[in-house]
Amino acid sequence: GENVEQHPSTLSVQEGDSAVIKCTYSDSASNYFPWYKQELGKGPQLIIDIRSNVGEKKDQRIAVTLNKTAKHFSLHITETQPEDSAVYFCAASPINNNDMRFGAGTRLTVKP
Amino acid sequence: GAVVSQHPSRVICKSGTSVKIECRSLDFQATTMFWYRQFPKQSLMLMATSNEGSKATYEQGVEKDKFLINHASLTLSTLTVTSAHPEDSSFYICSARSLSYEQYFGPGTRLTVT
Repeated sequence: GENVEQHPSTLSVQEGDSAVIKCTYSDSASNYFPWYKQELGKGPQLIIDIRSNVGEKKDQRIAVTLNKTAKHFSLHITETQPEDSAVYFCAASPINNNDMRFGAGTRLTVKP
Repeated sequence: GAVVSQHPSRVICKSGTSVKIECRSLDFQATTMFWYRQFPKQSLMLMATSNEGSKATYEQGVEKDKFLINHASLTLSTLTVTSAHPEDSSFYICSARSLSYEQYFGPGTRLTVT
């Protein structure tokens, strides 16, 4: 089955700086890679996703890159703000089955 | 955007009683819903996958007779924790998968068994 590793486990940045979170996956059949943001006491919120037919996707301050050859994908947050502070989870799965696996999470702290 | 609701958001029950948690996709149909359990500062642990109109598929180590899952319609799935014990106390989160494959999560239910 799929195994997803996520780094770093904690990340602290100054407001305005960029933050990068990286994930690797093991199953070459995986072709769907979502990212979730989870605030304390709440459910995860889908913030961006990428499918294997593209290498990069951007939505305002958030971007995701995918390297299928190396089996890794990354979340980039630019111009970070204190409200970006949360736990971020990456995930990977083949798009036609139910086996989505999550990374262990990254706790991002943005210092004002 | 796609919205998934969960009810209740918090529940406290006595040991030995049963608790039902509802998960609804409010603005889309979900043929597949998932139930997760999350311990403090940890990732999401998949408990089971439910497909509308069929029996749920449980992950290894999850007792199907203790965690009863029903997916009666394209917008509703329920999780019933039967004969709850303090070790069942946790944050339970459901998710629903849209037709375009995005998976949306509910806000979670904090269960405390006393």
